[in-house]
Amino acid sequence: EIVLTQSPGTLSLSPGERATLSCRASQSISSSYLAWYQQKPGQAPRLLIYGASSRATGIPDRFSGSGSGTDFTLTISRLEPEDFAVYYCQQYANSPWTFGQGTKVEIK
Amino acid sequence: QVQLQESGPGLVKPSETLSLTCTVSGGSISTYYWSWIRQPPGKGLEWIGYIHYSGSTDYNPSLKSRVTISVDTSKNQFSLKMSSVTTADTAVYYCVRGQPVTRSYYFDCWGQGTLVTVSS
Repeated sequence: EIVLTQSPGTLSLSPGERATLSCRASQSISSSYLAWYQQKPGQAPRLLIYGASSRATGIPDRFSGSGSGTDFTLTISRLEPEDFAVYYCQQYANSPWTFGQGTKVEIK
Repeated sequence: QVQLQESGPGLVKPSETLSLTCTVSGGSISTYYWSWIRQPPGKGLEWIGYIHYSGSTDYNPSLKSRVTISVDTSKNQFSLKMSSVTTADTAVYYCVRGQPVTRSYYFDCWGQGTLVTVSS
């Protein structure tokens, strides 16, 4: 199975700052079948990005995804108060579908 | 707008079978892929398996021997059964819609989740 490793584990930033989250795969992810989800406490995850770089419906353009092969990045250009949450990457190229362990973006 | 709602017992005894149902409203169960994903308290996400409205299924090998997912298109529902549960199966269980892409799908709509505790 494809193992996804996210870094850093925790990102401490202030509102207005730029956040850069990394997701590295143990093998190449074909067709860039990589998604990003945001999860707030007590809530279900919400799809942000699919296909490595396509924003889901209703997602603000401050969220962007990039990468291919084994290295992917989620960037939040200017953090808003509602963006402090846990972010997961997930691959859907090879079954079983797997998730990274998550990156927590916390208020500094 | 499609909504997913999990239902089932919140407490299951060790060695028994966990049973959950997901009701899909605001849209048809046809065309899409339907998955169960779980999250132990304070931990990450684990895909359990999926069913297509046609009845085809795929399961996580780590759980395959204990899991069955079924679909009832007449009721717009799909279900999860997990046998021989242990305390390690305590988790929030989510039902999730898979949006098809070539040879795969991504998770675009999630239920609110239901906590299932395995305890005697």
